[in-house]
Amino acid sequence: QKEVEQDPGPLSVPEGAIVSLNCTYSNSAFQYFMWYRQYSRKGPELLMYTYSSGNKEDGRFTAQVDKSSKYISLFIRDSQPSDSATYLCAMSASGSNYKLTFGKGTLLTVNP
Amino acid sequence: DTAVSQTPKYLVTQMGNDKSIKCEQNLGHDTMYWYKQDSKKFLKIMFSYNNKELIINETVPNRFSPKSPDKAHLNLHINSLELGDSAVYFCASSQLLQAPYNEQFFGPGTRLTVL
Repeated sequence: QKEVEQDPGPLSVPEGAIVSLNCTYSNSAFQYFMWYRQYSRKGPELLMYTYSSGNKEDGRFTAQVDKSSKYISLFIRDSQPSDSATYLCAMSASGSNYKLTFGKGTLLTVNP
Repeated sequence: DTAVSQTPKYLVTQMGNDKSIKCEQNLGHDTMYWYKQDSKKFLKIMFSYNNKELIINETVPNRFSPKSPDKAHLNLHINSLELGDSAVYFCASSQLLQAPYNEQFFGPGTRLTVL
């Protein structure tokens, strides 16, 4: 079993839809959870982060972590064509030199 | 004012050749990384240097050798290139202890094609 599992999609939605992206993980030592966004032919950039369990909201984006289920989610409300990108979840544990373990990424297309 | 830059952007070469990729960051960060992203977009860490010291060394063939001449530079040399080395290689940097979530800033990538 891979440490981090993420459905690669692709996921195609109409503009304005609510998008749900998810990752599961097996390493219970993970404490820091991040979502990176990668546009085509660019490097990933940090979108959101959360520490341990709970929710975090930033504009149209909400990140959720459920450590008991080892499950994290990213919700995008009122999705826009500019949200079209690959979304990668990433996780790290303290004491590991904060090494990031990435999911495979989900390719999202928002159609106008 | 590019934060993390890599050269070259594209590299096409023959099997068996030796090549280098260079990375520079002007963010004042103390930690730099090399990642490999395969054709399925899977991003996997290869190496990490903190203040020029190797701190992460994943299971990577020893044909790959990183070198950090100073905190702002991290180069990757690859000997005897193989077809399976074809991928996009990303350099990244972070300030390791500034934020516990270790935000990493990525370069634009070097697309390596081995023929």
